[in-house]
Amino acid sequence: EMVMTQSPATLSVSPGERATLSCRASQSVSSTLAWYQQKPGQAPRLLIYGASTRATGIPARFSGSGSGTEFTLTISSLQSEDFAVYYCQQYNNWPPGGTFGQGTKVEIK
Amino acid sequence: EVQLLESGGGLVQPGGSLRLSCAASGFPFSSYAMSWVRQAPGKGLEWVSAISGSTYSTYYADSVKGRFTISRDNSKNTLYLQMNSLRAEDTAIYYCAKYLAGATDYWGQGALVTVSS
Repeated sequence: EMVMTQSPATLSVSPGERATLSCRASQSVSSTLAWYQQKPGQAPRLLIYGASTRATGIPARFSGSGSGTEFTLTISSLQSEDFAVYYCQQYNNWPPGGTFGQGTKVEIK
Repeated sequence: EVQLLESGGGLVQPGGSLRLSCAASGFPFSSYAMSWVRQAPGKGLEWVSAISGSTYSTYYADSVKGRFTISRDNSKNTLYLQMNSLRAEDTAIYYCAKYLAGATDYWGQGALVTVSS
């Protein structure tokens, strides 16, 4: 069974600072890794797919890297609208579905 | 503009049934696989089910297999999720989502399903 582990659970960052979020897969998923942002009361929004490709309309301050089992989402300079929960998801065995990580909450320091 | 609009959520007793619908617009619906993803209150995301675009192949999470049925009507640009034998642990917001090469690039606003007596 594939398990996705995100760290840290909560990240406290000041506006303008860099945020680095990690996601680890229990087995290799190549580059089939996506990142999503979810704000309270809203649906998730796709940020990154293929481990490093930004989705349509996503600002350049969001970047993804990694392959195999270790992945990183970097927000270069946090804006007020970036405080949210971030989920990673592997889709290496798609179809059928994909396994989500438990999420990292990025909060204002 | 891609739009996904869920409907059909509500309160149902344990053991009951409910059918969710998702009306899609703004893209060639029959060309894309679609999925349902749920989120229990205060919890993370859980993939529930998926269906291919034109071959109608279906897939389910073990937690709902045998109880939920995904389907689609490409003539109506609509996705469905028939949920039977509902349990308290099925309580969640159910999102309809469009696939892009395995990731989900568009999500609906969600439909709340509450299973309680």
